[in-house]
Parts: sequence; structure tokens; C-alpha cells
Amino acid sequence: DADVTQTPRNRITKTGKRIMLECSQTKGHDRMYWYRQDPGLGLRLIYYSFDVKDINKGEISDGYSVSRQAQAKFSLSLESAIPNQTALYFCATSDPTGDYGYTFGSGTRLTIV
Amino acid sequence: QKEVEQDPGPLSVPEGAIVSLNCTYSNSAFQYFMWYRQYSRKGPELLMYTYSSGNKEDGRFTAQVDKSSKYISLFIRDSQPSDSATYLCAMDRGSNYQLIWGAGTKLIIKP
Repeated sequence: DADVTQTPRNRITKTGKRIMLECSQTKGHDRMYWYRQDPGLGLRLIYYSFDVKDINKGEISDGYSVSRQAQAKFSLSLESAIPNQTALYFCATSDPTGDYGYTFGSGTRLTIV
Repeated sequence: QKEVEQDPGPLSVPEGAIVSLNCTYSNSAFQYFMWYRQYSRKGPELLMYTYSSGNKEDGRFTAQVDKSSKYISLFIRDSQPSDSATYLCAMDRGSNYQLIWGAGTKLIIKP
């Protein structure tokens, strides 16, 4: 099994729908992140969490919300999806006592039509 | 102006060539510099990281940081078709949570 698992891998949904992307990890890391990746813009941080009780907004949190259900689970929700949220979404984990080796999931390709 | 600039490419070179990938940055507070490799339909994976200035070598890969010029490089020797991927630079002030990413350079190694 992958260290960081994201579901679904692909999703096409309509404008205005609520959608949840899920992430689970077996790394045992406390820190988890949600990023989106757009061509030419690189990775941009949406939300991050240092532990179950700690949730922080990132660079582009508007239109998104998150839930940290357990150390191993971190989900991202789009309350009312809009077309410019079409992107590749990545969940990642890190260990602040280790190197800078963020472990990424394989991503969710989300298309809003 | 972006904090980190990286040429998106694509950069196409023949197998066996030496590849040079680069990023420039504007924030002198950055202390940690990383290179990630991302294959198609996969998440990025850490290749190398360096602290402050200097060189670091790992097999065919060498990472170089020049803080005076705010410029970092990744060199790949004896490039292989399996090195074809997008390479992203990332940097941090030391917090390990607010990485600033380059847009990535797509590298193509032709057999």
C-alpha cells in the first residue's frame, strides 16, 4: 500500500456541487497538507495541519475547507465547486524532525464543468 | 514577481548529456533548498535538499546553492530516459511547513 493514499484519483463534477477529497497516510507523520497544482503556477498550499487539533489556512484557502479526522486522515472539501477549482490536488505529509522529505500522494485530478 | 522563478521548459537533451536545471529566488531569508522530481500522474518525490550555500552530491545528481546570487542548480550527469520528468525546486526559511515552490521544469531525455 502507498504511504499516502488519495481518493478519488479522478473526479468530474458540476458547478455548485459539494465534493470531498480524502487522504490517508501510514507514515505516522503529524503534519499534513493539501496543495493544488496548476500548469505554470507550481504547487500552492491550501490548508495544513500540524496535529488533529491544529488546522491552518494556506496561501489559497478561499472556497475550501478541511477536516482532520485522525492523525492519519485529512480531507479537503469544496463546498460549492466552481470551474476555476479545476486542478490537480495533492495531499502530503512531513516529519518536522526529519529532512525536508514531504511524502505526496498520487493526486486527484478534479474537473469542474 | 514570484518569489521563486523556474523555467518551465520543456528541456530536451540526448541520453548521456549533462543536464542543468535552475531556479532563482528573491527572498534572502530562505535557508533550505530542495529539488523534487515528479513523474506524470504521480506526486513529487524529494531528490535532494541542501542547507545554506554549497554543493551536495548524490550519485549522478549534484545540487548547488549560491546564496549571494540567489540561484540554485541541479545537475544530472549521464542522463537517462528514466530521468524524464518534471523537476521542481522548493525552498523554506526553516519552518518546514511553508515551502515556496517553483513552477517546475519538464525534462525530456531522448534515447
